[in-house]
Amino acid sequence: AQTVTQSQPEMSVQEAETVTLSCTYDTSESDYYLFWYKQPPSRQMILVIRQEAYKQQNATENRFSVNFQKAAKSFSLKISDSQLGDAAMYFCAYRSEDSGGGADGLTFGKGTHLIIQP
Amino acid sequence: SAVISQKPSRDICQRGTSLTIQCQVDSQVTMMFWYRQQPGQSLTLIATANQGSEATYESGFVIDKFPISRPNLTFSTLTVSNMSPEDSSIYLCSGSITDTQYFGPGTRLTVL
Repeated sequence: AQTVTQSQPEMSVQEAETVTLSCTYDTSESDYYLFWYKQPPSRQMILVIRQEAYKQQNATENRFSVNFQKAAKSFSLKISDSQLGDAAMYFCAYRSEDSGGGADGLTFGKGTHLIIQP
Repeated sequence: SAVISQKPSRDICQRGTSLTIQCQVDSQVTMMFWYRQQPGQSLTLIATANQGSEATYESGFVIDKFPISRPNLTFSTLTVSNMSPEDSSIYLCSGSITDTQYFGPGTRLTVL
């Protein structure tokens, strides 16, 4: 079974600065997907960014980028120019590659609570 | 992305009763899933909702406690049966478009 570990229960950053959230995972599979989701107090889960394991290039979405190290099984999220609206719980998630015509559910880490200091 | 709605958004129930949560997704979605998020915790997959057949449950979750239906491609229900205070959680529905899952707003359940 796959496991996802987020070792930082809470992180704090000054507005406009850069912060990196850590995520490691354990799997014996070679093909899979990794995601970062954001959950603000409204509890809506919002997709931030996704990465396919077969792609060497790190995914980026505006101020959000990842550092994907497949050999190290590491998938960190960098948030640049932090804004007050970035304050939320951030969850790292893993999904197996669909090889059977269906799709697997997500395995989540425990989350990192990101605080933005004005 | 996908448009996913759930109702009710929240409910307070008495122990021993049952609650059915509804999830409606837009037509792009192929797979549907149900998750539980206990207070202060991460999300745990309950089951995959299969159209027209029995749901596929994860370890620790059983059909008698969490019956799930998916009568068509865009609609699913999750029932929390014979509730106890330990069932107090947020229940989230998700739908996948190709490789990515999108989530509904969740249902906050409190059991007294």
